Parts: sequence; structure tokens; C-alpha cells
Amino acid sequence: KAGVTQTPRYLIKTRGQQVTLSCSPISGHRSVSWYQQTPGQGLQFLFEYFSETQRNKGNFPGRFSGRQFSNSRSEMNVSTLELGDSALYLCASSLAEGQTWNFGPGTRLTVL
Amino acid sequence: AQKITQTQPGMFVQEKEAVTLDCTYDTSDQSYGLFWYKQPSSGEMIFLIYQGSYDEQNATEGRYSLNFQKARKSANLVISASQLGDSAMYFCAINFGNEKLTFGTGTRLTIIP
Repeated sequence: KAGVTQTPRYLIKTRGQQVTLSCSPISGHRSVSWYQQTPGQGLQFLFEYFSETQRNKGNFPGRFSGRQFSNSRSEMNVSTLELGDSALYLCASSLAEGQTWNFGPGTRLTVL
Repeated sequence: AQKITQTQPGMFVQEKEAVTLDCTYDTSDQSYGLFWYKQPSSGEMIFLIYQGSYDEQNATEGRYSLNFQKARKSANLVISASQLGDSAMYFCAINFGNEKLTFGTGTRLTIIP
């Protein structure tokens, strides 16, 4: 069974631009969550989706948004990029609540 | 507040020795799951082992075992017979109330040949 895939793997943007990151969960997994990882703040939770509904949201500004499609694929969008948004963005999928979260390889975003 | 503490920012261990990575947490929840993940330099978070808060037996997965002491709120990872490929960051994570994962700050493990 294929693992969680994330595209693109690397991205370079400039301040003020917007970016969309994509995540395809493991087949059959309906829960998707997103995390931001930076050297200073560590791993921070962004969102969690289940069956196209946002179930949980972390403490991030409104510039960060996400959605989930009917096929469980998920996207996250960051508008008006800031230098501090440079990070590794990790997506994870899970079969059900309380089950193991399987992570993708991440998208490394650099904002110049 | 729910918090996870990994007190060892870095560890150096001789190849083939056993290593214990510490993880303590603070929560008033009764139901939660304990996870350990390995993150090599490539960035991918690799699941290692899971233990539910109501599981009485310590979880084991190959060379990995979880030393769970609920009363002490401790969930240490033990790696037996360490290998060079074990060099990576290791994160303890908990889904308090069976919700989102909260991660500790991690321990960078380096295996010395």
C-alpha cells in the first residue's frame, strides 16, 4: 500500500506570495492532519480534517487555511507569505480516531 | 496544560549498546495514546511504536520497546542493540484525549561506530 504522499517536496517563494501544498493520504484513510516544523518552535499542529470537515485547528493566523476533498486528499494554503513561514510542512493520515498517524515526507518551504 | 518533556536534547551511544530515550508528560486526561517517531535527516516522520494509556503490557516492536509508567507519566523508548542507521531525531508524541498529536522537543541520537 502506498504511503502518504506530499507535493511538491521543495518550494521557494518570496514574501507576499501565496502557496498551496498537497497531501494524498494512504488509501482508505479518511483523517488528515497538518503540522509545521521549524527549528525554533518545533512541531506545531495546524489542522485536522475528517470526511471533508475541519475537526480541529491549531493556533495559527487566518493566513493558513486548508481543505479536504471527497477522495480524502487535502490541501493547505498559506497566503501573504512571511519569512517566518519557512518550515517543513508535514501531512499525516490516519484510519480512524485514536489510531496511528502515518506521515508523509514533507514539503520544505523556503520564503525569501 | 498538556505538555510533553524530552529532557535529552542529544545523546551519543556506542553501536550495539542499548539506549533509553526519556519522555515525561503532564495531563489530566485518562485516555490517550503514546507514540514514538523517528525523523532522519531526510525529514520524514517514521512511526516506531504505540501504546494506549489503558494498555497494561509494555509495547514492543522489534528492537523498540516502550517503558510505560502511567503513575509517573513516563513513556521512555528503549532501543536494543543500536545500529548506525538509528542515528536520527526521536520524538515522543501523545494524542491527549485521542485528538491531535502533541510532540515533544525531540532527542537527537547519534550512534558511534
